[in-house]
Amino acid sequence: KNEVEQSPQNLTAQEGEFITINCSYSVGISALHWLQQHPGGGIVSLFMLSSGKKKHGRLIATINIQEKHSSLHITASHPRDSAVYICAVGGGSQGNLIFGKGTKLSVKP
Amino acid sequence: KAGVTQTPRYLIKTRGQQVTLSCSPISGHRSVSWYQQTPGQGLQFLFEYFSETQRNKGNFPGRFSGRQFSNSRSEMNVSTLELGDSALYLCASSFLDSEETQYFGPGTRLLVL
Repeated sequence: KNEVEQSPQNLTAQEGEFITINCSYSVGISALHWLQQHPGGGIVSLFMLSSGKKKHGRLIATINIQEKHSSLHITASHPRDSAVYICAVGGGSQGNLIFGKGTKLSVKP
Repeated sequence: KAGVTQTPRYLIKTRGQQVTLSCSPISGHRSVSWYQQTPGQGLQFLFEYFSETQRNKGNFPGRFSGRQFSNSRSEMNVSTLELGDSALYLCASSFLDSEETQYFGPGTRLLVL
């Protein structure tokens, strides 16, 4: 079993829909990261959080430390949100980031 | 402020050769981490450098090595290339360590024939 599990693996949505991507982890962490990777490879860090909730524009990230679960929400989705979203956790015994396999999101106009 | 830069962006090598990839972090960042991304395994941590010292290492064979210079620029080297080393190699920098927000470079896409 992977230490970081994401669901769904693939997601297709219509423009304007509310989107949720989930991440569950099995290791102790100090922080969880949400990353966005566009075709071509470039990765952008969206959020780093260790508790509660963070919001940036149409993106909201939440984390429940007790349940070892985080969600990334996108409100009013847009085709430019189409990308792979990757959850990563840090602070484990090795002191490095452990990544989920990613969720490929496609938003249709 | 300039972002993280990686060179070269694309590389084609043959089995048995060696390769050196370079990463220049954002000015002032002292931590540089390297990652390998493949379709099958996703993103995997290779190693992290801070102040010219390797601070953490992932589960990769000794053919994978790296170093960091006094200006925080970092290089990684892969010797005796194998077909399975074909991947996107990404570096990321942060002020102090990989648990902070990391800033990723565009990656070097390596193809081993």
